[in-house]
Amino acid sequence: GEDVEQSLFLSVREGDSSVINCTYTDSSSTYLYWYKQEPGAGLQLLTYIFSNMDMKQDQRLTVLLNKKDKHLSLRIADTQTGDSAIYFCAENRNRDDKIIFGKGTRLHILP
Amino acid sequence: NAGVMQNPRHLVRRRGQEARLRCSPMKGHSHVYWYRQLPEEGLKFMVYLQKENIIDESGMPKERFSAEFPKEGPSILRIQQVVRGDSAAYFCASSLPDNEQFFGPGTRLTVL
Repeated sequence: GEDVEQSLFLSVREGDSSVINCTYTDSSSTYLYWYKQEPGAGLQLLTYIFSNMDMKQDQRLTVLLNKKDKHLSLRIADTQTGDSAIYFCAENRNRDDKIIFGKGTRLHILP
Repeated sequence: NAGVMQNPRHLVRRRGQEARLRCSPMKGHSHVYWYRQLPEEGLKFMVYLQKENIIDESGMPKERFSAEFPKEGPSILRIQQVVRGDSAAYFCASSLPDNEQFFGPGTRLTVL
């Protein structure tokens, strides 16, 4: 079946790096996504990675993919208060297929 | 180019009433998706539509829920005889064929 798991909470000090981890079960997943949701708001696509890649970097964001272990991570360098949000790991087989979401990791920034 | 529009943003209904949620896709997008987010949960896929066709409704509850995407006008998600458990945020997304899905701001439904 299709399942995406991630830890529910993460607390990080301002200026440190945040690492949010995710595992998925569908070996046919082709696209793996990280979305950000601020309180009461919609979803913002932060980044995505193809399953044939193992790393993608975009400014403060680094995505690592271990396809063998079906493990995805998002690293946010120099975490700021504006990074406080819920981060969803998600996947699908084709970009116009249904997206399977994890339950989200709530990132809390400590002063 | 306006993004995906959803209205209303907030909707309050009493148990037994009907809820109608609207989604206007991005200009030129022919694919529409509906997802539901229960409190403290991730988004769950409900239905995927193309113009006048339902492509995948595997996530749609069998009763009381229906969706349409007519040739003209917005996509509508209709919930009949709402119950408290229907309280959630309902998100619409749209895409071009084989392309990224863009999400709307959501409609927050509260059932009293």
